[in-house]
Amino acid sequence: AQSVTQLDSQVPVFEEAPVELRCNYSSSVSVYLFWYVQYPNQGLQLLLKYLSGSTLVESINGFEAEFNKSQTSFHLRKPSVHISDTAEYFCAVSDKDQKLVFGQGTRLTINP
Amino acid sequence: DSGVTQTPKHLITATGQRVTLRCSPRSGDLSVYWYQQSLDQGLQFLIQYYNGEERAKGNILERFSAQQFPDLHSELNLSSLELGDSALYFCASSAQGGNTEAFFGQGTRLTVV
Repeated sequence: AQSVTQLDSQVPVFEEAPVELRCNYSSSVSVYLFWYVQYPNQGLQLLLKYLSGSTLVESINGFEAEFNKSQTSFHLRKPSVHISDTAEYFCAVSDKDQKLVFGQGTRLTINP
Repeated sequence: DSGVTQTPKHLITATGQRVTLRCSPRSGDLSVYWYQQSLDQGLQFLIQYYNGEERAKGNILERFSAQQFPDLHSELNLSSLELGDSALYFCASSAQGGNTEAFFGQGTRLTVV
């Protein structure tokens, strides 16, 4: 069975500061890894994904995540956050059947 | 706009009642997934349909059932509702293949009173 652990339920940071949201997964098979973002009162949007190839993946709004197989991690980073990044972030894992197993989520709060 | 449409957006009903949530997947997507988001359980996978057939089952209660119709839209039926069923229910769709992403609808917020 697959599982995902997001180590921080809440992360407060100041605007323009760097941030890292941690994600560890457990799986006995090859996996695909995702980060989804949920803005207040909205649905889930895909932020970025790792399927294969380069272990560093990037999103269009400055986030990046690195797949580390030995540490079974897929941490999300951004070098400088903006107020508009305030949201809940979910790490997820799936296998070939595509159903997603989500972590508990990390609420990112940006303070001015 | 993800292309996945869920109706209704909000639903308030009493305990013991039955409701139906509807999902229209993105054009061309054959797979539909249902997820439940609640404060205590987080995001939980309920069930997946692929081209009309049940493909995978997660933590779905026996009081809940789903189906996918020939036009690929899906319905999630929740019966004998309890207060604890209050949650946000998401539908997602994806194309066939292990390296495709799931697109989520805006969700239906169910409140059981």
